[in-house]
Amino acid sequence: GENVEQHPSTLSVQEGDSAVIKCTYSDSASNYFPWYKQELGKRPQLIIDIRSNVGEKKDQRIAVTLNKTAKHFSLHITETQPEDSAVYFCAARGAGSARQLTFGSGTQLTVLP
Amino acid sequence: EAGVAQSPRYKIIEKRQSVAFWCNPISGHATLYWYQQILGQGPKLLIQFQNNGVVDDSQLPKDRFSAERLKGVDSTLKIQPAKLEDSAVYLCASSLDPGTVKAFFGQGTRLTVV
Repeated sequence: GENVEQHPSTLSVQEGDSAVIKCTYSDSASNYFPWYKQELGKRPQLIIDIRSNVGEKKDQRIAVTLNKTAKHFSLHITETQPEDSAVYFCAARGAGSARQLTFGSGTQLTVLP
Repeated sequence: EAGVAQSPRYKIIEKRQSVAFWCNPISGHATLYWYQQILGQGPKLLIQFQNNGVVDDSQLPKDRFSAERLKGVDSTLKIQPAKLEDSAVYLCASSLDPGTVKAFFGQGTRLTVV
């Protein structure tokens, strides 16, 4: 099955700086890569996603890049703000009949004021 | 738009007891997922339904966990008997269908087994 690895597990940045979180996946047939933000005690919320036919997608301060050859994708947050502090999860969706989402282990992002 | 509803929000039980969780997906969503999220880890898929049929339950510990979605809408997940290592947040998610990529999560049920 699919295996998703996520790094780093914790990340601290100063407010206004950029943050980058990286994930690798094992199944070359995976075709969809969402990112979820989870604040303490709350549900994971989809913040951005990318399909395998696109190399980059941007939405205001967040962007995701995908390198299919290397099987890795990254989340970029620019001009970080304290409210960006949360746990971020990457995921990959396989192309099998179930098309299940496999999640990474998460990155605790702390934005220091 | 109403989101995915789950209950209860919290549950504390003793080991060897049984427990059940309930999920009501977003209206019209045919695909329903149950995930287990252990503290400090990413969600792990337990079971995936398409309408009232099971699509994938390969990671469901079937000796103690069971799930059903009888009418293709609401779903229940049961643990019997519970073990200490079952302590986790149980998240329900739904999507229109497997080919519709966006999945939306409920608030989860935090289970503590003592």
